[in-house]
Amino acid sequence: DTAVSQTPKYLVTQMGNDKSIKCEQNLGHDTMYWYKQDSKKFLKIMFSYNNKELIINETVPNRFSPKSPDKAHLNLHINSLELGDSAVYFCASSQESLPSTDTQYFGPGTRLTVL
Amino acid sequence: GDSVTQMEGPVTLSEEAFLTINCTYTATGYPSLFWYVQYPGEGLQLLLKATKADDKGSNKGFEATYRKETTSFHLEKGSVQVSDSAVYFCALPDTGGFKTIFGAGTRLFVKA
Repeated sequence: DTAVSQTPKYLVTQMGNDKSIKCEQNLGHDTMYWYKQDSKKFLKIMFSYNNKELIINETVPNRFSPKSPDKAHLNLHINSLELGDSAVYFCASSQESLPSTDTQYFGPGTRLTVL
Repeated sequence: GDSVTQMEGPVTLSEEAFLTINCTYTATGYPSLFWYVQYPGEGLQLLLKATKADDKGSNKGFEATYRKETTSFHLEKGSVQVSDSAVYFCALPDTGGFKTIFGAGTRLFVKA
């Protein structure tokens, strides 16, 4: 069983399009995250949700909108895609809302390429 | 603010060589410290962690000791294998505790 799954794995699209990435976790965790990893492997948090409530909203363009229909799902919708949005996007989850000692479990990533 | 600094890569070693990847941090208090590993084409996964000073985390032959005197959490392995080729991230929770700060990652290549 996959603990944290994301779809699609690859996404190639044109500038200006709108796209969504879906994430599901079957670990029963309360907290979910979206990260962006650039081509140099630098990892930056974008959002986190705890029990469907937004906890972290980093300085991310408002073209990015997360949605959590229930605590097992966290989707990411991106409007008006730009070249700079090309990256690998990772979903992750953890049991606690405070990751002070808590392990995060990552999905396999979605590689987004904007042409 | 809280931060993590890792040695720059890539690090290239021959099989069975000794590995050290340096990690130092700045933080308020004594947070837990983590090493995550990212194998090619995959997401990150926890490699090991230490929750208090002088703790040693270990897993798969890797070790790291939480040194508060030097604010360090260096990753070591006595004999690397080709299958250890990956990117390694040092990490800690920020002071507010709601997010994890990751280092820039160190890519390791192990040659047969």
